[in-house]
Amino acid sequence: AQTVTQSQPEMSVQEAETVTLSCTYDTSESDYYLFWYKQPPSRQMILVIRQEAYKQQNATENRFSVNFQKAAKSFSLKISDSQLGDAAMYFCAYHRQALNFGKGTSLLVTP
Amino acid sequence: GAVVSQHPSRVICKSGTSVKIECRSLDFQATTMFWYRQFPKKSLMLMATSNEGSKATYEQGVEKDKFLINHASLTLSTLTVTSAHPEDSSFYICSALDRGGEKLFFGSGTQLSVL
Repeated sequence: AQTVTQSQPEMSVQEAETVTLSCTYDTSESDYYLFWYKQPPSRQMILVIRQEAYKQQNATENRFSVNFQKAAKSFSLKISDSQLGDAAMYFCAYHRQALNFGKGTSLLVTP
Repeated sequence: GAVVSQHPSRVICKSGTSVKIECRSLDFQATTMFWYRQFPKKSLMLMATSNEGSKATYEQGVEKDKFLINHASLTLSTLTVTSAHPEDSSFYICSALDRGGEKLFFGSGTQLSVL
């Protein structure tokens, strides 16, 4: 079974600063997808960024970027120029046949 | 963008009754849908994978007779919590995979409270 590990239960960042959320996963597959989802207090799951394992280039979406290290099975999320609205739970997820989530990281953004 | 509608958003029921939660893909066909359960301040736990026209595949530890899943069409999957108990109280979220198998869309969730 695939496992996803997020080692940081909570993180804090000051507004306009940069923060990196870590994620590692375990798999024997070579073809899969990795995701970062954001869950605000409304509990709606919002896709932040998506990475195909066969692509070496790191995915970016505006202020969000990932550092995908396939050999190390690492998939960290970098949020640049943090905004108050970025405060939420962030879940790393692995997808091949089903989407398996890490335990999440609660991000606090301070003014 | 693609939308997944989940209904109801909140339901309160008495112990022993059954509750049905619907998950609809509104503008795309979803051959596969997933059902998750989330406890407060916890992650999403996959309960089952629902494939259109076939029986759902349940994760280990999830009672298939307790959580009935039906995926009768390419746009609708339902989760029925049968003979609900207070310990079934939780937040349930569905997600739908598009036919290309690359994009996954989430419903807005259902908060179930069993009294």
